[in-house]
Amino acid sequence: GAGVSQSPSNKVTEKGKDVELRCDPISGHTALYWYRQRLGQGLEFLIYFQGNSAPDKSGLPSDRFSAERTGESVSTLTIQRTQQEDSAVYLCASRGGTVYEQFFGPGTRLTVL
Amino acid sequence: RKEVEQDPGPFNVPEGATVAFNCTYSNSASQSFFWYRQDCRKEPKLLMSVYSSGNEDGRFTAQLNRASQYISLLIRDSKLSDSATYLCVVNGRGTSYGKLTFGQGTILTVHP
Repeated sequence: GAGVSQSPSNKVTEKGKDVELRCDPISGHTALYWYRQRLGQGLEFLIYFQGNSAPDKSGLPSDRFSAERTGESVSTLTIQRTQQEDSAVYLCASRGGTVYEQFFGPGTRLTVL
Repeated sequence: RKEVEQDPGPFNVPEGATVAFNCTYSNSASQSFFWYRQDCRKEPKLLMSVYSSGNEDGRFTAQLNRASQYISLLIRDSKLSDSATYLCVVNGRGTSYGKLTFGQGTILTVHP
């Protein structure tokens, strides 16, 4: 079956521009996560959606970052006024029911020039 | 102190070697523990869960010591295909349930 998909796979933007990254989770998965991974670093938690509950935004690094999720489907991560330090791979993951395993998408590689 | 700490390595071992990775976590209320594997420029994938009594999956053995807040992964008879970054992962409890915290990863290179 289809896994988690993300688009675009690569995004190059200029400093100061806004970007939108998209995640399509596995159908039926109630939990959705966004992570950031800088080159050579571990995964950094950004935000977590669980069903209709208020999202856990505790990992968002600044108010330039925001994310939305429509029901239990697509999510978009928006970065406003991008900075060079935002350059990273942005990974989305989803999880279903009581299963702990998170299934990751292939990521979006963001480069801010 | 980081919530999950790992020795970043890199570990360079010959084929057939046994190698062990360690991980410590700071939140004593953590509920579940995992090892994920991440190949170069790929997304992380679940390798195995870690159970209190310890568990084995083929050449891989995971151990948990709750008293010491310590997790380990042992790989026996290393293969070239085991070369990857191994991520120690901890699941929260209560309001943090479902939110996984990742260590920075331990790099393993298995050479011929």
